[in-house]
Amino acid sequence: AQSVTQPDIHITVSEGASLELRCNYSYGATPYLFWYVQSPGQGLQLLLKYFSGDTLVQGIKGFEAEFKRSQSSFNLRKPSVHWSDAAEYFCAVAANFGNEKLTFGTGTRLTIIP
Amino acid sequence: GAVVSQHPSRVICKSGTSVKIECRSLDFQATTMFWYRQFPKQSLMLMATSNEGSKATYEQGVEKDKFLINHASLTLSTLTVTSAHPEDSSFYICSAREALSTTPQHFGDGTRLSIL
Repeated sequence: AQSVTQPDIHITVSEGASLELRCNYSYGATPYLFWYVQSPGQGLQLLLKYFSGDTLVQGIKGFEAEFKRSQSSFNLRKPSVHWSDAAEYFCAVAANFGNEKLTFGTGTRLTIIP
Repeated sequence: GAVVSQHPSRVICKSGTSVKIECRSLDFQATTMFWYRQFPKQSLMLMATSNEGSKATYEQGVEKDKFLINHASLTLSTLTVTSAHPEDSSFYICSAREALSTTPQHFGDGTRLSIL
């Protein structure tokens, strides 16, 4: 069975600074990887996904993530954060695309300070 | 883009009441819908996978008689929490996948269920 680890429970970043959120996965084959963002009391919005091909994927809101098979990682990055980026971020993995049962990490809460 | 509507957004009711939550795909057909539960400051835990026209598949540890799921059409799935108790209080989120599509799941905005 697949699993996802997000080592950082809470990260605080100054507005305008760069951001990297860590995600490590465990799965025997090539995984399908996702990053979602959740604002308080709301559902999830997809930031980006990786299925195959180029290991550096671009997403919405200026986010990108890099798939590194050797490290079993799929870290999320943004060069310059905005106050509106404050939210909870979830990394998720799916074993296959047809069913796409998602396994989520425990999330990283991002706080932005002025 | 694809929109998933979840209703109600918040419900407060007495212990012993049954509560129905609706999940609708507004502009696409969803052969598969997923129901998740999220406790405060925790991740989403998949409860069940709902396929149109067939019985839902429940994850281990989820009581199927407690959480009734019906996926009667390609745009609607419902989750009924039967005889709800305070421990059922949680944030419930649904998601839907478009049929014959390469796009991933679209999530609803969730339902905050509070049982008094």
